Amino acid sequence: QKEVEQNSGPLSVPEGAIASLNCTYSDRGSQSFFWYRQYSGKSPELIMFIYSNGDKEDGRFTAQLNKASQYVSLLIRDSQPSDSATYLCAVPLGAGSARQLTFGSGTQLTVLP
Amino acid sequence: DVKVTQSSRYLVKRTGEKVFLECVQDMDHENMFWYRQDPGLGLRLIYFSYDVKMKEKGDIPEGYSVSREKKERFSLILESASTNQTSMYLCASSLRSDSVFPDTQYFGPGTRLTVL
Repeated sequence: QKEVEQNSGPLSVPEGAIASLNCTYSDRGSQSFFWYRQYSGKSPELIMFIYSNGDKEDGRFTAQLNKASQYVSLLIRDSQPSDSATYLCAVPLGAGSARQLTFGSGTQLTVLP
Repeated sequence: DVKVTQSSRYLVKRTGEKVFLECVQDMDHENMFWYRQDPGLGLRLIYFSYDVKMKEKGDIPEGYSVSREKKERFSLILESASTNQTSMYLCASSLRSDSVFPDTQYFGPGTRLTVL
């Protein structure tokens, strides 16, 4: 089993709809979770991180964490064509002061006008 | 704002050449990372460093080496470039894991390397 898995997509939603992106992870000890957005030809940029069970909202973005089920999701409300990108889930693995982030393979989202 | 810069956006080299990719961050981060990204394979960690002169192998270190002589600078070296090292190379940095917001990595713009 991969350490971080994402629904592979690609995912297409109409403009204004809710886009739902999912991620599961294997390490029960993981405490923090990150969502990055990567536009084509660009580098990943952090859009949200979450540490606590439940929901965390930031504008149109909501991260949902369920540690018991080992999944984290990202909801994008009122999706816009500018949200079209690849979304990467990342989980720190390892120990020590420089823990690595393990990235999922990403979900490509297309928002159709 | 965190700023991570990379020396080149595009680079074309010939097989067998020695290639240096430079990364500089201006936020006094302890940790620095080098990844490569290929279609269908996602982000793969090559090397990382948690302190000056310290380095750790990532998932795919073969064919690469790194150097960190100063805290703000992390270099990736391809000793003898090969065509299978054609890829997008991304540098990232982060604070120590015991900081207030641990583990968040900030990425540079990337270097697209082509080896002919």
